[in-house]
Amino acid sequence: QVDLQESGPGLVRPSETLSLTCTVSGGSIRNYYWTWIRQSPGKGLEWIGRIYDTGSTNYNPSLKSRVSISLDTSRNQFSLHLTSVTAADTAIYFCARVPSDGYNKYFFDSWGPGTLVIVSP
Amino acid sequence: DIQMTQSPSSLSASVGDRVTITCRASQTIDKYLSWYQQKPGKTPKVLIYAASKQSDVTSRFSGSGSGTDFTLTISSLQPEDFATYYCLQTYNTPWTFGQGTTVDIK
Repeated sequence: QVDLQESGPGLVRPSETLSLTCTVSGGSIRNYYWTWIRQSPGKGLEWIGRIYDTGSTNYNPSLKSRVSISLDTSRNQFSLHLTSVTAADTAIYFCARVPSDGYNKYFFDSWGPGTLVIVSP
Repeated sequence: DIQMTQSPSSLSASVGDRVTITCRASQTIDKYLSWYQQKPGKTPKVLIYAASKQSDVTSRFSGSGSGTDFTLTISSLQPEDFATYYCLQTYNTPWTFGQGTTVDIK
């Protein structure tokens, strides 16, 4: 049973960079997409971006100029960096796994518990 | 971007009721549609993927549809089913969620 766990600062100052890491245990990082999702307080879910085990990435255009996702296969981790944050980036950030076989049309089969990041002076 | 429109945005129902939630895509997405349940303060959990395949959940949840119109049906609502439900399209990036449907107790 794979387990995902987000980690990183819970408080980020405006204009600074939000950096989170998702550690994957109990399973390989190969042959999956790894993705980040966020949920603003009391709001719905927003897809941030994904990375494949080759390092190929796709981002939400609404964040594209500020977001990057990287992968460290040696540590079974992937990371999110979001620059120039504002209060609007305050949210719970989730990492999730996406089977990449395509036959099952891609879905988020395992999620981390989420981590709250507050952007405040 | 593909827009996903869920309806209703909220509903009140009783234990034992049959509940149907719909999700409409702004363009065809084949069967690249999954459904998630989220309880307050908890992580979303997949219920249905590839529009109609059941995840490791009780069989009272079922999904149907293809193209642009999809439904999630709860055959007989149970107390543990009161939650918010989201659809997600993964046909094209950016992957997009519906706005959610909150099911509460009548």
